[in-house]
Amino acid sequence: DAKTTQPNSMESNEEEPVHLPCNHSTISGTDYIHWYRQLPSQGPEYVIHGLTSNVNNRMASLAIAEDRKSSTLILHRATLRDAAVYYCILRDLYNFNKFYFGSGTKLNVKP
Amino acid sequence: DSGVTQTPKHLITATGQRVTLRCSPRSGDLSVYWYQQSLDQGLQFLIQYYNGEERAKGNILERFSAQQFPDLHSELNLSSLELGDSALYFCASSPDRAVYEQYFGPGTRLTVT
Repeated sequence: DAKTTQPNSMESNEEEPVHLPCNHSTISGTDYIHWYRQLPSQGPEYVIHGLTSNVNNRMASLAIAEDRKSSTLILHRATLRDAAVYYCILRDLYNFNKFYFGSGTKLNVKP
Repeated sequence: DSGVTQTPKHLITATGQRVTLRCSPRSGDLSVYWYQQSLDQGLQFLIQYYNGEERAKGNILERFSAQQFPDLHSELNLSSLELGDSALYFCASSPDRAVYEQYFGPGTRLTVT
């Protein structure tokens, strides 16, 4: 199964950009890259997803390497509310059993 | 607020017992997913239903079962409970099978004593 590797934790200062890396060297052609985050005591929350091209939405940007073996979630201006565990997930469009959350990156935002 | 509701919020029961967790998806969403989150195993996909039919199975134990009703709400039944079943159980929903976004509920915390 294609899985992801993320740093266990990262730290950022408030109002500064944050780059959260994810390695997925065994990604297949039908795997979408998803990012979810989980705030303390809450269910996971969708952040962004992409296949090959970089993506932007109101929450974040997703930069995908040309070979698709890695990606980076970019929070343009971190706030205290962004402190959460961020999960990089691969989801095969045709095989949902490959939806594997992994251990994620715990982001700490300092005021 | 994701629009997904789960009841109960907390559940404490004894080993060997059976419990039912309930999930109401967002209005209009046809797919429901169940996940288990424990301290040692992270977030694990259990099962997916789409419009009343089972569509995908993950790491769901034989002691666990689920169903989705005609009104699209779903129930997860856990039986012969063991201490190791203590975890947070999340339900998520999405508009269709080929999901891009899932919307998670607040979870049910199950404690087996």
